[in-house]
Amino acid sequence: GAVVSQHPSRVICKSGTSVKIECRSLDFQATTMFWYRQFPKQSLMLMATSNEGSKATYEQGVEKDKFLINHASLTLSTLTVTSAHPEDSSFYICSATTPSRGTPYEQYFGPGTRLTVT
Amino acid sequence: LAKTTQPISMDSYEGQEVNITCSHNNIATNDYITWYQQFPSQGPRFIIQGYKTKVTNEVASLFIPADRKSSTLSLPRVSLSDTAVYYCLVGDNTNAGKSTFGDGTTLTVKP
Repeated sequence: GAVVSQHPSRVICKSGTSVKIECRSLDFQATTMFWYRQFPKQSLMLMATSNEGSKATYEQGVEKDKFLINHASLTLSTLTVTSAHPEDSSFYICSATTPSRGTPYEQYFGPGTRLTVT
Repeated sequence: LAKTTQPISMDSYEGQEVNITCSHNNIATNDYITWYQQFPSQGPRFIIQGYKTKVTNEVASLFIPADRKSSTLSLPRVSLSDTAVYYCLVGDNTNAGKSTFGDGTTLTVKP
């Protein structure tokens, strides 16, 4: 149980275009999802917190107009990278949590999406 | 969010026990400690979680002293497949487990 999927696993897009990444909790309802970005040989950096039915909360330094997050249902959150540039190339990882899985909260991570902007 | 500090890297040999210590001096009362393992190009995988004292599961043990300002992940009898990056997270249980990743510890297991 507690499976989180991401789609696509890899995507290549041209500079200036937008790309959408989906994060789904497959066997539980996630009230909260987190989005991270990870550059090669670095740690995960928290980008934003996504709560179902409300606006995402972005971490300092993360452009909310560039990284659009939508959490329309309890099983799906999407991250859209708008007007992508080569420096946005990275590994994007989501995680999902829910109190129904027990206390304390545990983050269930997706497999990640490799974005390459050419 | 509590900041965590871990050794950047550790080396071990197959069959040995490995202990990785994490420092989290600013841990709050409602925070829990969780350890994750990450292989290249994969999402982190849950290893173990605890609040205080000792927790053990089928793959690891977690030791947390009474002041909770540190924790130690113990991996018994490591194998080559345990070569990975290990992260200690302190999750804010009042905020859905929101956490900040530290730099992690790269464990290299040698034959």
